[in-house]
Amino acid sequence: DGGITQSPKYLFRKEGQNVTLSCEQNLNHDAMYWYRQDPGQGLRLIYYSQIVNDFQKGDIAEGYSVSREKKESFPLTVTSAQKNPTAFYLCASARTGGVNTQYFGPGTRLTVL
Amino acid sequence: GESVGLHLPTLSVQEGDNSIINCAYSNSASDYFIWYKQESGKGPQFIIDIRSNMDKRQGQRVTVLLNKTVKHLSLQIAATQPGDSAVYFCAEALNGMIRTASKLTFGTGTRLQVTL
Repeated sequence: DGGITQSPKYLFRKEGQNVTLSCEQNLNHDAMYWYRQDPGQGLRLIYYSQIVNDFQKGDIAEGYSVSREKKESFPLTVTSAQKNPTAFYLCASARTGGVNTQYFGPGTRLTVL
Repeated sequence: GESVGLHLPTLSVQEGDNSIINCAYSNSASDYFIWYKQESGKGPQFIIDIRSNMDKRQGQRVTVLLNKTVKHLSLQIAATQPGDSAVYFCAEALNGMIRTASKLTFGTGTRLQVTL
């Protein structure tokens, strides 16, 4: 069963804690992305990676960090510096070069208590 | 379920009717466009895409129209079904570079409600 998986589906965090969201893909895609979605808004890009051991900031990277040690995995850490972390987080992957449609995982809902 | 858009524009259509969802994109240099469908609590699902060298593309029950003159994109769904109820997003990108990953810019979305 190929595709993109995200875990956990729901995550609760106390203020001041860092949390890490998992994203794994077995599509052999080079590029991976993290987006944040808030009610009434479109998706906003947090970070993206075109290749292993390389990543770039998106439009709203402050308070987040990522790593890309393996092609299949692109975990996102929401740090205590992120002032409004409650949101729906979506991971996507795509081929690089030419037309590269992004395919999304099922998302993780993060709630700060 | 997850609410992905509490204050989105909403289109209500009767089951069996055709739906037309519109999107204005921002970058005249964008050369690739995608429509996604997002059901409550789930990730966006790819529906159909179109390159800027085309003005129309058809899929199964769906058609995408591109008007580059006015930077307008539309998604037409034929014989709308209850399972089509979701939020629909358009996205634009500048593609074409080898070994690079495109960044998509998303619209805010339109909620489609199918009534029986």
